[in-house]
Amino acid sequence: AQKVTQAQTEISVVEKEDVTLDCVYETRDTTYYLFWYKQPPSGELVFLIRRNSFDEQNEISGRYSWNFQKSTSSFNFTITASQVVDSAVYFCALSEENRSGTASKLTFGTGTRLQVTL
Amino acid sequence: DARVTQTPRHKVTEMGQEVTMRCQPILGHNTVFWYRQTMMQGLELLAYFRNRAPLDDSGMPKDRFSAEMPDATLATLKIQPSEPRDSAVYFCASGSGSYAGNTIYFGEGSWLTVV
Repeated sequence: AQKVTQAQTEISVVEKEDVTLDCVYETRDTTYYLFWYKQPPSGELVFLIRRNSFDEQNEISGRYSWNFQKSTSSFNFTITASQVVDSAVYFCALSEENRSGTASKLTFGTGTRLQVTL
Repeated sequence: DARVTQTPRHKVTEMGQEVTMRCQPILGHNTVFWYRQTMMQGLELLAYFRNRAPLDDSGMPKDRFSAEMPDATLATLKIQPSEPRDSAVYFCASGSGSYAGNTIYFGEGSWLTVV
């Protein structure tokens, strides 16, 4: 069975600090996909990134970066120079291998609430 | 800008009433999901469809919930009769696959309160 663990329930930082959100996953699949979603106070779920299990390159997008380490089954998310607008709940998710050319269901972690204050 | 559209955005209803939530997936996406979000359970999968056929509805209370896809542009989630414990945010999501994997996009959610 697949499982995603986000051990940090809530994190508070002051603006401009760097912050890392942890994500640890479990799966028996050799091919799988990892995701991060952002849920701002308005409630929608916003897709941030997808990473395939066979691609361990880290990724940077502006102030966001992701560190994927298969050896420790982790897919951590770092926000550099945090801003108040980054305040949200962040979810890590895992999906199984896509064999048939269609999307696979997501298993979500419990989320980490990030509060960025001035 | 393609997006998943859900209606209603907010619904307050009395216990025992029927509730129908609708979802228009992104055009061309062949997989549609219904998720429910509560404080206690987090995000849980209720049901999903591939090419309009139900694939997995094991997360859905069968006695009162039903999910359908009358056509490729409409998915529905119905609760009858509704109960206070059904109060939650219901998300519809859609995706399509490729050799590189899939990305699933969520609608804005339907916020349901059953009193």
